[in-house]
Amino acid sequence: KAGVTQTPRYLIKTRGQQVTLSCSPISGHRSVSWYQQTPGQGLQFLFEYFSETQRNKGNFPGRFSGRQFSNSRSEMNVSTLELGDSALYLCASSFGTAGNTIYFGEGSWLTVV
Amino acid sequence: DAKTTQPTSMDCAEGRAANLPCNHSTISGNEYVYWYRQIHSQGPQYIIHGLKNNETNEMASLIITEDRKSSTLILPHATLRDTAVYYCIVRVAGGAQKLVFGQGTRLTINP
Repeated sequence: KAGVTQTPRYLIKTRGQQVTLSCSPISGHRSVSWYQQTPGQGLQFLFEYFSETQRNKGNFPGRFSGRQFSNSRSEMNVSTLELGDSALYLCASSFGTAGNTIYFGEGSWLTVV
Repeated sequence: DAKTTQPTSMDCAEGRAANLPCNHSTISGNEYVYWYRQIHSQGPQYIIHGLKNNETNEMASLIITEDRKSSTLILPHATLRDTAVYYCIVRVAGGAQKLVFGQGTRLTINP
């Protein structure tokens, strides 16, 4: 059974640009959530989507956005990139119901120069 | 979600049992204890979770105290590949698919 797949794995962007990251959840999973990991702040929750609707949102500026498609695949977008956005961005998926397990992808490494 | 407290780092000899403690004194009755680990900044890997009873799977055992205020993750025969950061997370048993990560315990398995 395929795991959570994230693309691209590595990318470099310039300040001011925007970036879109993609996530394909485990088959059958309807919930997709996103996390940012930096050395200074650790792993932080960005947002969660379930059935194409944002269900939870972390404490991040509006430059960070996401969406989910009808096939449960998800994308997150960061606009007007800042140097501090350099991080590992992790996608996780689950069935989306109480008590079920959340599984993570390998992440997308974003470097902003 | 309840806050957890873990030691910053631990060492264990290869082949011995690694016992990782976690305090979650403010845990509520409907909150699960989850353990994940992260190796070399890969994605966190799910290990095990439990509510009240002790749990065991092919990777580890989870011992939860009767008052549920603390727990211990046990890796029965640690190998070098178990070197990682281990996160203990308390998560409410509701619809929110959100994990609140602390700093975790950096476990080093020594040959």
